[in-house]
Amino acid sequence: KQEVTQIPAALSVPEGENLVLNCSFTDSAIYNLQWFRQDPGKGLTSLLLIQSSQREQTSGRLNASLDKSSGRSTLYIAASQPGDSATYLCAVNSGYALNFGKGTSLLVTP
Amino acid sequence: EAEVAQSPRYKITEKSQAVAFWCDPISGHATLYWYRQILGQGPELLVQFQDESVVDDSQLPKDRFSAERLKGVDSTLKIQPAELGDSAMYLCASSLAGAGNTEAFFGQGTRLTVV
Repeated sequence: KQEVTQIPAALSVPEGENLVLNCSFTDSAIYNLQWFRQDPGKGLTSLLLIQSSQREQTSGRLNASLDKSSGRSTLYIAASQPGDSATYLCAVNSGYALNFGKGTSLLVTP
Repeated sequence: EAEVAQSPRYKITEKSQAVAFWCDPISGHATLYWYRQILGQGPELLVQFQDESVVDDSQLPKDRFSAERLKGVDSTLKIQPAELGDSAMYLCASSLAGAGNTEAFFGQGTRLTVV
């Protein structure tokens, strides 16, 4: 079974810092990888989708990379803002449903 | 903007009662998923539909949970009887197709509290 791990579990940074969230997975035979944002008590918002053939995707201040052979993905957030405070979840599609990590809880302080 | 609709947003029920959740996926999305998320954990798949057929329900506790998608559009997830351990967020998601390079979109979820 695909196992997805996210490090760190929690992160607190001052506003303006650039930061990196890490995701690792055990089976490199994937179709794609998705990064989600989840605000407290809310559903999941899709941030970026990286296909297995791609190395990275960018959306605004967000950049996600994928190294399938090593089973790793990173989410880079540039110039962090208090509004970025949320839980970030990584999910891997190995052919059917998504397998999720436990998430990284991010707090950006003013 | 198209979105996955779920209702109710919140539900409080007593132990041993029946409870049901409803999901309407994005129009044209053939694949529908129900996930359960316990506080502090990532979502875990309960059941996956392709059109009206169940693709995967291996993690669905079938003694108390049931799910249907009769016409291949909206779906209902039922719990009977509810137990204290069922308290969680129930998330519905949809995608154009199950396997391959398709993006999954999630609803706002139903927060279930069993007392």
